[in-house]
Order: sequence, then structure tokens, then C-alpha cells
Amino acid sequence: DGGITQSPKYLFRKEGQNVTLSCEQNLNHDAMYWYRQDPGQGLRLIYYSQIVNDFQKGDIAEGYSVSREKKESFPLTVTSAQKNPTAFYLCASSYQGTEYGYTFGSGTRLTVV
Amino acid sequence: KQEVTQIPAALSVPEGENLVLNCSFTDSAIYNLQWFRQDPGKGLTSLLLIQSSQREQTSGRLNASLDKSSGRSTLYIAASQPGDSATYLCAVIMIKAAGNKLTFGGGTRVLVKP
Repeated sequence: DGGITQSPKYLFRKEGQNVTLSCEQNLNHDAMYWYRQDPGQGLRLIYYSQIVNDFQKGDIAEGYSVSREKKESFPLTVTSAQKNPTAFYLCASSYQGTEYGYTFGSGTRLTVV
Repeated sequence: KQEVTQIPAALSVPEGENLVLNCSFTDSAIYNLQWFRQDPGKGLTSLLLIQSSQREQTSGRLNASLDKSSGRSTLYIAASQPGDSATYLCAVIMIKAAGNKLTFGGGTRVLVKP
């Protein structure tokens, strides 16, 4: 079955460390997105990519980086510059065109220890 | 700036009662509206997608309506079951949104009591 796979499910980061969250899709979707979810703040867009080798900042990109070397993959790196990284991270994808909806992965919970 | 609001933030109903969940948005220039379900600690599951030209969409016990002119969407869940307990989120894609990004409401947390 087609879908989006996020790994790991849980991730722990020490102060000053960079960590990378994986997102892979086999839906042949063109666009991929990273959202952050915090209690009481809803979902906020971090980065998005509409085509391979191109990506754009979302609303809260500071302290994060991404790459899009393959259509299927859109990894997110949480750098040491992100001062409050503890959150639930969700990856999503969609076809180009607004007549299609989004598909989301199962999420990665990142905790700073 | 588009704002999406879901009221109430939480809702508790006895099993068998119909659920009515509200979503309002301030800017009617949208491409579509999507309803999602989220279980605790899980990702989002798409329930229904309504294009801006449509008035409603139905899937099983779920029916979603869209009134773009008044900036409102309603999700109806008929004959609720304990398994319907979850958080329900609505989200819109604005016509002028870069990258076709979704703008989310804060969600309604639903508890269906047996």
C-alpha cells in the first residue's frame, strides 16, 4: 500500500546536537511538507518542496534544514540553533494542483534531554 | 491573514448522538478545505476533501458541508461511536498561499461516551 513513512517514531536529542528526521513516500507525490505540532499552537509549516532539488521556507524555518535529492524523500534536520525543538513533527505530501488533498505520515516525537 | 477557528475546542457526547463540528475561516479565497482526524500521538488521517466549488462531500457516516461565502464548514458524524473519539482538524488551502500550504484550525477534541 502507498503511504508516507516517518522514522524514528521517538527521538531524543541532547543539547547542541543535530538530529535528522526521515520522511519517505511511495505515492508518487510531487510536493512534500514538514509541519510542527505543539499543544495549544496547532500545526505550523516548517519547510516545503514542490519539486526535486528545490525547497522553500515555511512559517517557522529558523533552526531547521531540509534537502530534496529524490522525489520520494524529504529529510528534516533539527539543528542546534533550534532552541525549543521538543515537539511532534509531521511530514505530508500531495500531488501538484489544489484539487488533491494532503496525505500525512504517522509523526516523530522529538524530545530534548 | 487567514485565520481558521474551530469551536468548541472540546466536545463530549453519549454514544449514538450525532456529532456536529464547526470550522470557520476569515478569507473566503480558498481552493479547498480538508477535514482530518488525529488520534493521540498519531498522524493525521484525511476524512473528507471539499473543493471550493462544492457544497458538500459524504463518506459513510460522515458528511461535510462548505459555505464559502460565509466562511464556514461543518462536519457531521451520524450515530457516533466510542471509536469516533479523537481530535478533528480542518484546514484550508488559500488561493494566494505559496506552495499550496495548509492553514489549520486548532482542532476539536471529541469524546464519545459508551
